[in-house]
Amino acid sequence: QVQLVESGGGLVKPGGSLRLSCAASGFTFSDYYMSWIRQAPGKGLEWVSYISSSGSTIYYADSVKGRFTISRDNAKNSLYLQMNSLRAEDTAVYYCAREYCSSTSCYPNAFDIWGQGTMVTVSS
Amino acid sequence: QSVLTQPPSVSGAPGQRVTISCTGSSSNIGAGYDVHWYQQLPGTAPKLLIYGNSNRPSGVPDRFSGSKSGTSASLAITGLQAEDEADYYCQSYDSSLFYVFGTGTKVTVL
Repeated sequence: QVQLVESGGGLVKPGGSLRLSCAASGFTFSDYYMSWIRQAPGKGLEWVSYISSSGSTIYYADSVKGRFTISRDNAKNSLYLQMNSLRAEDTAVYYCAREYCSSTSCYPNAFDIWGQGTMVTVSS
Repeated sequence: QSVLTQPPSVSGAPGQRVTISCTGSSSNIGAGYDVHWYQQLPGTAPKLLIYGNSNRPSGVPDRFSGSKSGTSASLAITGLQAEDEADYYCQSYDSSLFYVFGTGTKVTVL
């Protein structure tokens, strides 16, 4: 069964740090680009960060650049998001998501597999 | 603030057709980048509904269709059903912002 399972969320004080993990199963993780996407309570979706299949290419949203670091361990089928200098506005459900590949093409910014999400709350 | 604008809400009676617009600009949809659509049921992760402007992943009913023209895209739902009540988001690539989502539209089945 193709699956993504996030973990590592929780309550943290402003300025604190948190590391999210995303465990992949049921597919060849090393073949796929991955992203983190977040959703603040009652708000819309916001793309956070992207990493290529090898990890050599990385992009961040301006809102998290310099504070968040995405990484992956293909040997462990895992994706990570290190979040530093957290702010109240980072409070959200964080999803990891896999790029969609049809039988003929891949669409790096279309996401067909999502995790269940992990809640991050930044509050004093 | 999202660069892709959607109407906050649309509604329709069961069996009717509703459409959701997604308006972008010359740096995203108008530049020729693909538009994708997602359905998010309450309390769940989004589900890919349409990819590459008008293609449906396996398992998505053909009641859902997508189109793109100029700087805008649209999602149409025909034969509206109660289980279609959800939030819908468009998504594309922007040359300055990388991946961008629409503001989201809540579909209500009357």
